[in-house]
Amino acid sequence: AQKITQTQPGMFVQEKEAVTLDCTYDTSDPSYGLFWYKQPSSGEMIFLIYQGSYDQQNATEGRYSLNFQKARKSANLVISASQLGDSAMYFCAMREISGSARQLTFGSGTQLTVLP
Amino acid sequence: GAGVSQSPSNKVTEKGKDVELRCDPISGHTALYWYRQSLGQGLEFLIYFQGNSAPDKSGLPSDRFSAERTGGSVSTLTIQRTQQEDSAVYLCASSPRHRSQETQYFGPGTRLLVL
Repeated sequence: AQKITQTQPGMFVQEKEAVTLDCTYDTSDPSYGLFWYKQPSSGEMIFLIYQGSYDQQNATEGRYSLNFQKARKSANLVISASQLGDSAMYFCAMREISGSARQLTFGSGTQLTVLP
Repeated sequence: GAGVSQSPSNKVTEKGKDVELRCDPISGHTALYWYRQSLGQGLEFLIYFQGNSAPDKSGLPSDRFSAERTGGSVSTLTIQRTQQEDSAVYLCASSPRHRSQETQYFGPGTRLLVL
């Protein structure tokens, strides 16, 4: 069974500093995809970054990068040069590729607050 | 292009009433998903549609919940005899192909409050 764990209910970071949001996962499927979404107070889920289990390099998208450690089953999101607009809820999610499940399984989220 | 749209954005109803929530996926996306997000919680999968295939209903919490997708595009999620525990944000997502690594793009959600 899939499981996503986000152990940080809340995080604070000073503007312009970097922050790491933790995510660990559990799956028996050797082929899977990992996603990070941002949910501001408006409620919409915004896709940030994707990492495939067989990708050789860590994914990067602008100020977002994913620290993927396959052996440890962790997929931490790193946000560099934090901005006030980064304040939001962040969700880690996984989707198995080999299995029959098609939906995303989400973690409980981390509320990030960027301080001026 | 246009993203996923959902209507209504907010819905207040009385316990026992039926409600219908609508989702318009991104044009050309063949896969459509419904999720539910209760207050302060992560997302819970409800149902998945892919093309003309039978939907995956494994996440529906009870037989009061049903969904259909007409013409492979617009989808309607129906909740019959609503209960207070149905209060949540209902999110719809679509993706371009039936492949697990394809990104799901979400709509703004419908906030349902059952009094």
